[in-house]
Amino acid sequence: ETGVTQSPTHLIKTRGQQVTLRCSSQSGHNTVSWYQQALGQGPQFIFQYYREEENGRGNFPPRFSGLQFPNYSSELNVNALELDDSALYLCASSSFGETQYFGPGTRLLVL
Amino acid sequence: EDQVTQSPEALRLQEGESSSLNCSYTVSGLRGLFWYRQDPGKGPEFLFTLYSAGEEKEKERLKATLTKKESFLHITAPKPEDSATYLCAVRENAGNMLTFGGGTRLMVKP
Repeated sequence: ETGVTQSPTHLIKTRGQQVTLRCSSQSGHNTVSWYQQALGQGPQFIFQYYREEENGRGNFPPRFSGLQFPNYSSELNVNALELDDSALYLCASSSFGETQYFGPGTRLLVL
Repeated sequence: EDQVTQSPEALRLQEGESSSLNCSYTVSGLRGLFWYRQDPGKGPEFLFTLYSAGEEKEKERLKATLTKKESFLHITAPKPEDSATYLCAVRENAGNMLTFGGGTRLMVKP
């Protein structure tokens, strides 16, 4: 059984640029959630996708957007990057309503 | 609004010195309380789910318990490899998002 995978592992961008992060769900899971984790803090919920539709959103601006594909993989897009967007971005997959299993994360640094 | 507070923020133990980590929560209707372990620079690793007050779960040196206001993660005779950040999260009845606490950074010295 393949776990949750994320790409890339690390990324450096400059302020104002756009970034796309990718996540492949664990086999058998149909729900993907994205979290932002700043250094030394707990993860903060960004949004969740179920059956290719956004199914809940945290307190993040519209420049954070996402997609889920028919194979349940997902993308997180962030436009107009700001310095405070520097963080570890975590993807978690689950069967709907069940325990969420996390990927290794993508470390984003905005300069 | 759901709130999760973990204490202490950091804990240093000697190998074999048992202790407990606390997770206090406020949620309108608890659908599940989750414990995760996170190593530096990695994603959280699932440990336990607790659903109702009085429930307990065990795995090796770890035991999680739940009351209506808080959860404890008891660590018995810890080893250096137990060093990590332990995260607590809640999910309420109305949604599927997890609300996390700030974590407890555990360091076990040999």
